[in-house]
Amino acid sequence: DTGVSQDPRHKITKRGQNVTFRCDPISEHNRLYWYRQTLGQGPEFLTYFQNEAQLEKSRLLSDRFSAERPKGSFSTLEIQRTEQGDSAMYLCATPRGETQYFGPGTRLLVL
Amino acid sequence: GDSVTQMEGPVTLSEEAFLTINCTYTATGYPSLFWYVQYPGEGLQLLLKATKADDKGSNKGFEATYRKETTSFHLEKGSVQVSDSAVYFCALSGSGGGADGLTFGKGTHLIIQP
Repeated sequence: DTGVSQDPRHKITKRGQNVTFRCDPISEHNRLYWYRQTLGQGPEFLTYFQNEAQLEKSRLLSDRFSAERPKGSFSTLEIQRTEQGDSAMYLCATPRGETQYFGPGTRLLVL
Repeated sequence: GDSVTQMEGPVTLSEEAFLTINCTYTATGYPSLFWYVQYPGEGLQLLLKATKADDKGSNKGFEATYRKETTSFHLEKGSVQVSDSAVYFCALSGSGGGADGLTFGKGTHLIIQP
């Protein structure tokens, strides 16, 4: 158990719809990361939070993507006007020391 | 920018064979290096890590040595089992995106046949 839960585990949506994913670390962590993993590829960094502050965003994170961490605990990742290219596994991770521990991910399929 | 290159799979071996999965990296500074494993239907799990040159990470019979001179972190196991079948990812941190955000390779799919 990595101490990170994600919800939902699977999401199927139609192109153009909005979706929101949630990440819950079990214990308090200052930092929280989001990654995206497409089929046959390794995870790619999207963004990270230090407490409530979103400190860095990858260029992979287009204007349709927004992430929040309102109370410095759980985080949400919203994708507006989904496109088929958004189909991927979305992973959340929190660090302990220099090691990041990943949640099970949310698998998104955009039809 | 930082990058990680892994040998492409799938790699298919017989049980009890010797395993090597090559990983080389490009990074500024002195990154930490990791191997993560993804078993079928499960999430990413840390397998082992090394934080400085010449360190050896080990876990579950797997080993990898941080070689700064060759910018490599090859994963080895002396005798693989069917249960080792999974996708293995090499990764680095410390100089990637997002203050210790990880940069991953594409992954190597390992298949062990009985």
